[in-house]
Amino acid sequence: SQTIHQWPATLVQPVGSPLSLECTVEGTSNPNLYWYRQAAGRGLQLLFYSIGIGQISSEVPQNLSASRPQDRQFILSSKKLLLSDSGFYLCAWIQGGKDGYTFGSGTRLTVV
Amino acid sequence: DAKTTQPNSMESNEEEPVHLPCNHSTISGTDYIHWYRQLPSQGPEYVIHGLTSNVNNRMASLAIAEDRKSSTLILHRATLRDAAVYYCILSLRGGADGLTFGKGTHLIIQP
Repeated sequence: SQTIHQWPATLVQPVGSPLSLECTVEGTSNPNLYWYRQAAGRGLQLLFYSIGIGQISSEVPQNLSASRPQDRQFILSSKKLLLSDSGFYLCAWIQGGKDGYTFGSGTRLTVV
Repeated sequence: DAKTTQPNSMESNEEEPVHLPCNHSTISGTDYIHWYRQLPSQGPEYVIHGLTSNVNNRMASLAIAEDRKSSTLILHRATLRDAAVYYCILSLRGGADGLTFGKGTHLIIQP
């Protein structure tokens, strides 16, 4: 069966520190992968998506970057976190013929 | 993506049907109507999607107006576990370039 793993579940980081969030998908190949962020009390914002290894599309200019080093691995990074980077980060995947996106359980990031 | 309009919140009683409306007057001919829901502190969950005809699955039904300018998500018998934020989203099927989530409708279920 297909599953999506996202970790860590919660993270508290100081301002100016680096960030690396990882997402992996199992049981499928060549999925489209996505990073979303949900700030407190707000809707989900699409940050990045990838249709293949090394292919990244950025939706919003910001302090974050994404990479896809392997087919089923998607990484969200930052060199220096800002307070405004706090939020609930969600990874998602979809593949041709599938009805809808599957989202991970999310990482709640608090920048202090 | 074309825009959707949903009520901020709705209340319903447990074990009763719930009709969640969505207006999308600028929908294009190739836009599919997707519904997702998000329980507190969880990622969104796919509910249902459709193009022109009404759709049914194990979770819900989707009723689409003949002119496609509005749709209604129907939960046939609400339970407390259906309390969530429900999002109505327009996109090409699958939305390969990502979905645009609005604020959705906060559904409250009273026991």
